[in-house]
Amino acid sequence: AQTVTQSQPEMSVQEAETVTLSCTYDTSESDYYLFWYKQPPSRQMILVIRQEAYKQQNATENRFSVNFQKAAKSFSLKISDSQLGDAAMYFCAYRSVTGTASKLTFGTGTRLQVTL
Amino acid sequence: NAGVTQTPKFRVLKTGQSMTLLCAQDMNHEYMYWYRQDPGMGLRLIHYSVGEGTTAKGEVPDGYNVSRLKKQNFLLGLESAAPSQTSVYFCASTPGLAWGETQYFGPGTRLLVL
Repeated sequence: AQTVTQSQPEMSVQEAETVTLSCTYDTSESDYYLFWYKQPPSRQMILVIRQEAYKQQNATENRFSVNFQKAAKSFSLKISDSQLGDAAMYFCAYRSVTGTASKLTFGTGTRLQVTL
Repeated sequence: NAGVTQTPKFRVLKTGQSMTLLCAQDMNHEYMYWYRQDPGMGLRLIHYSVGEGTTAKGEVPDGYNVSRLKKQNFLLGLESAAPSQTSVYFCASTPGLAWGETQYFGPGTRLLVL
């Protein structure tokens, strides 16, 4: 079974600065999908960014980008020009391409604080 | 287009009581899921469904039952609630296996079992 580890329970960043959230995973599969979700205080789960393992190029969505290191099984999220609205829980998630259920395996999350 | 909705938003139960959580989606999605979220544990899959009339167990199915009689609805039942089932419950849906298809989440149901 796959596992996802987020080793930083909490992180803090100043407004306008850059922060990187870490995620590692364990799998024996060669192709899979990886996601970062944001959960603000409203509790709504919001997709931030996605990456397919066979793609070498790191995904980017505006101020959010990932550093995907397949050999190291690492999938970190970089937030540039941090804003107060970025304060939230961030979850890394893994999805297999095999099987029929499209299930997600989540990490335990990193709480991001954004300070003035 | 409401997306994924959950009913109720909050509920308090006494130990031993039963209840049903309703999840509805209007996106014609095939797959639906129930998760629970506990502090420090992330989201864990309880049960899921890959189509109308089908259900399967996830990571933490004990104490829960589910039904998917209609494609748009996925019900989660607690037959005899226990304090260990105090949690926030999320429903999610996805069209299927297409690349990059994420899961779309409902707003969550907070359940407190006394």
